[in-house]
Amino acid sequence: AQTVTQSQPEMSVQEAETVTLSCTYDTSESDYYLFWYKQPPSRQMILVIRQEAYKQQNATENRFSVNFQKAAKSFSLKISDSQLGDAAMYFCAYRSARYGSEKLVFGKGTKLTVNP
Amino acid sequence: GAVVSQHPSRVICKSGTSVKIECRSLDFQATTMFWYRQFPKKSLMLMATSNEGSKATYEQGVEKDKFLINHASLTLSTLTVTSAHPEDSSFYICSATITEAFFGQGTRLTVV
Repeated sequence: AQTVTQSQPEMSVQEAETVTLSCTYDTSESDYYLFWYKQPPSRQMILVIRQEAYKQQNATENRFSVNFQKAAKSFSLKISDSQLGDAAMYFCAYRSARYGSEKLVFGKGTKLTVNP
Repeated sequence: GAVVSQHPSRVICKSGTSVKIECRSLDFQATTMFWYRQFPKKSLMLMATSNEGSKATYEQGVEKDKFLINHASLTLSTLTVTSAHPEDSSFYICSATITEAFFGQGTRLTVV
């Protein structure tokens, strides 16, 4: 079974600074997807970024980028120029690429605080 | 992007009663939907996979007789918490997947 580990229960960053959230995973599959989801106080789950395992290039979405190390099974999220609105719980998630395997496996989450 | 709508957002019910939560995909068809439960300050725990036109697949430890799932159409899945008890109080979230998962707004259930 696949597992996702987020080793940082809480992180804090100063506004405008950069922070990196860690995520490692375990799988025997070669084709899969990885995601970072944000859950603000409203508790609505919001997709931040996704990465296909077959792509070597790291995904980037504006101020959000990932460092995907497939061999090391590592998938960290970097938030640049942090804003107050980035404060939230961040969940790393894994999904198999096998047809019919759409369920997500989540890490335990990292609570990010952004200090003004 | 795709929208998943979950209703109600909050519900309070008395012990012993049943409550139904709806999850709708508004602009796409979803043959599969997922139901999660989230405890305070915890991650999402998958309860079951809802399959259109067939029985739901429940995760280990989830009582299928307590958490009834019906996926009667390609845009609607319902979760019914039967004979609710205070320990069923929680935040319930549904999702449906196209290329990535889209989540409903969640339902805060309080059983008194």
